[in-house]
Amino acid sequence: DAGVIQSPRHEVTEMGQEVTLRCKPISGHNSLFWYRQTMMRGLELLIYFNNNVPIDDSGMPEDRFSAKMPNASFSTLKIQPSEPRDSAVYFCASSWLAGGGTGELFFGEGSRLTVL
Amino acid sequence: AQSVTQPDIHITVSEGASLELRCNYSYGATPYLFWYVQSPGQGLQLLLKYFSGDTLVQGIKGFEAEFKRSQSSFNLRKPSVHWSDAAEYFCAFGNEKLTFGTGTRLTIIP
Repeated sequence: DAGVIQSPRHEVTEMGQEVTLRCKPISGHNSLFWYRQTMMRGLELLIYFNNNVPIDDSGMPEDRFSAKMPNASFSTLKIQPSEPRDSAVYFCASSWLAGGGTGELFFGEGSRLTVL
Repeated sequence: AQSVTQPDIHITVSEGASLELRCNYSYGATPYLFWYVQSPGQGLQLLLKYFSGDTLVQGIKGFEAEFKRSQSSFNLRKPSVHWSDAAEYFCAFGNEKLTFGTGTRLTIIP
């Protein structure tokens, strides 16, 4: 079975450029999560979707960050304009949430972003 | 405030020795609790989870964890570690969305 697929695995860009990270969740899962991992702040939840609808975006750092989920099999996280402090590993995870309970999160391998 | 704490940043154990990684949570009710493992350059993989019932839960790779309500703890244990267990371990809790601890890096020495 295919797991959560993220692309690109590595991205190096210059400050001010637009960055788009992509995620394909596991087929049949109804929830998708974007996390950011840094040495200083650990794993932070940025936003999560349930049935393609954003439920909680309180972790999105600022207006430079946006996320979309146009359908059940695809999501994007966009940073525009990017800044060096955005350098991190961005993880996408998906799960099946039923009855309000949490399900196991399945993580992708992450997208390592470096902003110069 | 709801939180999860992993007091040990880094632990070193000898191969074959027993292991216990600590996790404490602060939550108004009994939360859903998880342990995840992350190998270098990889995503996180679920080791085990506690929702309710038996407070001793078994996971993959020979790991187990015990939920202790009186101590607000959910410590991870393994009776005998293998070199392949070297990784970062994260405790997490939540209901619909997970909050992760800061992680404990495990080093195994021969």
